[in-house]
Amino acid sequence: QVQLVQSGAEVKKPGASVKVSCKASGYTFTDFYIHWVRQAPGQGLEWMGWINPNSGSTNYAQKFKGRVTMTRDTSIRAAYMELSRLRSDDTAVYYCARSSIRGVRWFDPWGQGTLVSVSS
Amino acid sequence: DIQMTQSPSSLSASVGDRVTITCRASQSIGNYLNWYQQKPGKAPKLLIYAASNLQSGVPSRFSGSGSGTDFTLTISSLQPEDFATYCCQQSFSTPWTFGQGTKAEIK
Repeated sequence: QVQLVQSGAEVKKPGASVKVSCKASGYTFTDFYIHWVRQAPGQGLEWMGWINPNSGSTNYAQKFKGRVTMTRDTSIRAAYMELSRLRSDDTAVYYCARSSIRGVRWFDPWGQGTLVSVSS
Repeated sequence: DIQMTQSPSSLSASVGDRVTITCRASQSIGNYLNWYQQKPGKAPKLLIYAASNLQSGVPSRFSGSGSGTDFTLTISSLQPEDFATYCCQQSFSTPWTFGQGTKAEIK
C-alpha cells in the first residue's frame, strides 16, 4: 500500500537546524509531489512547500523562504525537509504528504508526523 | 494568500445527528477544495477531494458540496468514530491554506 514513513522526534536548541526524512513506498516516487505541512501544539495546519521528486524543483511558502530546504534522494525514495535558524515557535509536528502534480491536488497519504521541539 | 474560514469552530452533537460544517474562501477557488479529518495525535486523513468526491474507503455518510467561495461538509448520521477535528484546504494557488478546523464533540 502507499505509505510515507518519517524519521523520529527531534529536540533542538534555538539557532540550530533540523532535517526530517520521509520515505515513500507502494508507488512510483517520481510521479507525485511531496509536501511538508506543520502543526504547532493546539494549532491548525500550515503548508510549508513542496518538492517535485522527478526534477528536484521546489516551491516554498514565502514565510519559510531562506530557512527551509527540501531535497530528495530518488535512489532510496526519500524526501527531506531541513529547517534552519530554529526558534521556539518552530516547535511543531511536521508532516510529509503526497499530492498529484496536476489538476485539483490533495494530500494523501500523510506521513505519521515528526515532533520537533525547540527549547534552550 | 487565500484565507479559509470555517464555521463553526466547534460543535456539540449526538450520535445519529446530521452535521454540517461550512468553509468559505476569501476568493473564488473553483472546486479546488479538500476536506480532512484529524484525530488527536494522528495525521490528517483525506475525506473529500475536489469539493464533492468521496475518497476511497471513506463511509458514504460523508459528503461535500460547493464551488467558488462557499463549501460544505455534511455527515448524514454522526457515528462515535466521527468525533474529531475537520478542516478544509484549498489547492487553487500557493501557498496552499487550511481552515482553522472544526472540532466535533459528543453532546
